[in-house]
Amino acid sequence: DAKTTQPPSMDCAEGRAANLPCNHSTISGNEYVYWYRQIHSQGPQYIIHGLKNNETNEMASLIITEDRKSSTLILPHATLRDTAVYYCIVLKKTSYDKVIFGPGTSLSVIP
Amino acid sequence: KAGVTQTPRYLIKTRGQQVTLSCSPISGHRSVSWYQQTPGQGLQFLFEYFSETQRNKGNFPGRFSGRQFSNSRSEMNVSTLELGDSALYLCASSFEALNTEAFFGQGTRLTVV
Repeated sequence: DAKTTQPPSMDCAEGRAANLPCNHSTISGNEYVYWYRQIHSQGPQYIIHGLKNNETNEMASLIITEDRKSSTLILPHATLRDTAVYYCIVLKKTSYDKVIFGPGTSLSVIP
Repeated sequence: KAGVTQTPRYLIKTRGQQVTLSCSPISGHRSVSWYQQTPGQGLQFLFEYFSETQRNKGNFPGRFSGRQFSNSRSEMNVSTLELGDSALYLCASSFEALNTEAFFGQGTRLTVV
């Protein structure tokens, strides 16, 4: 079973920030939080990952709470091309456990 | 550099046949994982190969098998196809394991009739 829970769907106005939450209350100390997204009919695309510090790259920012039980992916200026299913997963970086994807959050960016 | 290449992109087979799908990972990547994606079940892990060895396996019947070659290219085989095997089959490659940044191919859309 997936170790994360996400809302099934969200809407966001074009140009506004999209904040996608993820709960991972059973995360252990050596597990990272990874985010992927899947645009319709394409393979999933890596976005960002983090352990406990906030992370930012050219695509998004990842905010992890101090207790690490939840995180938020932020797309600062959502565009129509950001409409996709977003997956939050937790992984031990040093093991080779199979990766379990949950149902994710379907984000719709509205003009 | 070239991305993950899956062939063919689309395939139609009849029940009872067998099928082989191919995945060429990004150059230098040694880990290849396979996923099945259906509207009802979402993304489900099939298996992962690293340096020609299967390291992890999901909960799929023995009709689903795979292998990896010395150049890291991987093939997935499904024998005795069933209607329920219709799905998008995705391959992901990464340098060490899926626990690092993974790159997915566009997938092979298999339809079993």
